[in-house]
Amino acid sequence: SQQGEEDPQALSIQEGENATMNCSYKTSINNLQWYRQNSGRGLVHLILIRSNEREKHSGRLRVTLDTSKKSSSLLITASRAADTASYFCATDAYTGANSKLTFGKGITLSVRP
Amino acid sequence: ETGVTQTPRHLVMGMTNKKSLKCEQHLGHNAMYWYKQSAKKPLELMFVYSLEERVENNSVPSRFSPECPNSSHLFLHLHTLQPEDSALYLCASSQDVLAGGIEQFFGPGTRLTVL
Repeated sequence: SQQGEEDPQALSIQEGENATMNCSYKTSINNLQWYRQNSGRGLVHLILIRSNEREKHSGRLRVTLDTSKKSSSLLITASRAADTASYFCATDAYTGANSKLTFGKGITLSVRP
Repeated sequence: ETGVTQTPRHLVMGMTNKKSLKCEQHLGHNAMYWYKQSAKKPLELMFVYSLEERVENNSVPSRFSPECPNSSHLFLHLHTLQPEDSALYLCASSQDVLAGGIEQFFGPGTRLTVL
């Protein structure tokens, strides 16, 4: 079964509102990463939070990690139409020699102008 | 996306054709990846190369054959594909695979349609 599952599957908000997206996972992780994908394009790395961190900020992005609940959230503040994209969480379960990212199905965010 | 390029961007092929996807990274990274992205499914890791050596083969059918001639180039050779192989194929690179906490840089993908 997949490691990361995002919630909700789709989110539609008005420009200027905040968007909150959640990710849950099943096994222990070393870090969790959030990526963004515009339609039909490659993924772009947004932010990484390590297992010993609880919160991290980058510009309008705020990520939290609760390892006891095995969950993470991505908050985009003051959303813009250009934030419309799919967002993926990816868990890095460092086992053995190699690091390996496991992605969820993604959340489709629509920001209405 | 600018550090990792993929060609072609779109490919339509018949089930009996042989084609190749190409990926090139200009970031000086040591690790490269192939992923398959199908609609409504999580991104599937296919292959991982570290310093031109394959370190992961995620139970991918033999009709997909990867090749990594050097740390900057990665190919995916395709032959006798099935319609269900139609998907967006993404290439990615990272500094290495050994250390946890490494971000991956993705190319724009090749949209493959198998008729």
